[in-house]
This record gives sequence, C-alpha cells and structure tokens, in this order.
Amino acid sequence: EAGVAQSPRYKIIEKRQSVAFWCNPISGHATLYWYQQILGQGPKLLIQFQNNGVVDDSQLPKDRFSAERLKGVDSTLKIQPAKLEDSAVYLCASSLDRAGAPDTQYFGPGTRLTVL
Amino acid sequence: AQSVAQPEDQVNVAEGNPLTVKCTYSVSGNPYLFWYVQYPNRGLQFLLKYITGDNLVKGSYGFEAEFNKSQTSFHLKKPSALVSDSALYFCAVRDVDTGTYKYIFGTGTRLKVLA
Repeated sequence: EAGVAQSPRYKIIEKRQSVAFWCNPISGHATLYWYQQILGQGPKLLIQFQNNGVVDDSQLPKDRFSAERLKGVDSTLKIQPAKLEDSAVYLCASSLDRAGAPDTQYFGPGTRLTVL
Repeated sequence: AQSVAQPEDQVNVAEGNPLTVKCTYSVSGNPYLFWYVQYPNRGLQFLLKYITGDNLVKGSYGFEAEFNKSQTSFHLKKPSALVSDSALYFCAVRDVDTGTYKYIFGTGTRLKVLA
C-alpha cells in the first residue's frame, strides 16, 4: 500500500512570498490532516478534512493560510504572504475512519519550509 | 478537554537496558491512545495503539505499551534498547468526545540510547 505523498520536500522562500504544498493521502482514506511542526515540538493541527469538508480549522491562521481538498482526495495548503515564523515542517496525514471506528493516522514525510 | 502529557523532555538509556517513555492522559470517555516515533528529517511513524482489549499492546520494532486506567497512563516500553531506537517519541490521544476525532499530541520525548 502506498503511503501519504507530499511535495515538495524542501522549500526556501523569502518573507512575503507565497508558497503551496501538495498532499496525496492513502487511497480510500476519508480524513486528511495538515500539521505544522516547529523544530523540537509536537505537531500542531492546522486543518482537518473529512472527505472534502472541513472538520476543524480552529488553529489555522486564516489571514494567511488556506487549504482545500477538492473531490475529497488530494489537498493543497497555501501560505500567502509568508512570515519568518512560518518556518517549520508541514506534515500531511490521513486516516481511513470507517463509520464508528477511529482509525490510525499515517503521516507523509513532510515539507520543510524555510522563510528568509 | 482531552490531553496527553509527556513529563520527560529527554530519556537516556544504555544500549541493552530496558527503556520506558512515559505518557499520561486525560479523557472524559474511552481513551484512544497512540505512540508515534520520529526520526530526523522524517515524518511520524505509527508504533502502536490502544483502543480496547488487553492492557499490554505490542507494536513495531519490539516496542510495547501498557495501558493503566487507574493511573491514566500509557507508557511505552522496550525490554532491550538499541542505539537505532534513538529518536523523538510522541504520545497522542484521539478526541472522540467532540466528534472531530482529531489527534492531540504530547510535547514529545527525545530518547537517546548510548552505546
């Protein structure tokens, strides 16, 4: 079974520029998550999709971050404009989540963003 | 609100010795508990989970975890540590009470196995 795919793996931009990350979850997984992980810290949930609907985006800085999951499969996360404090690893994850059964979440390799 | 705590920022253990990485949780209903490991420049890898059933859960790479309801703990263990086990370990609880099913992660514990 293929895992969660993310691209690019690394990105370096200057502040105030925009950037986009792409995620392809495990086939058939209904739930997709985007996390931000600052070096040495635990992942912080940015947004959670169930199919193509948003379940939780309470910690997403909506003035600069946006995400979409068209057709309930792939997802993109965008930052515009980027700030220095956005330097982090952005992790995508997915879980199957059959009705009534909270399943295991599987992570992609992440995208390391450096904002100069 | 559901939460997990990892009281140790770092755990050092000699190779061949048993290791324990601690996690305590706070939930209002049934706990759904997970352990993940993160190696440098990698995403998180699933190790094991507790949903229901036996209190001792066995997972990948020889790791196991003991669910203790009375102490609200879910400590990660391994009988004999390897240098290659050195990594960052995260405990997580899945929030099933609010209906979001989101994961709540601990702050992580860095395990260093010394040769």
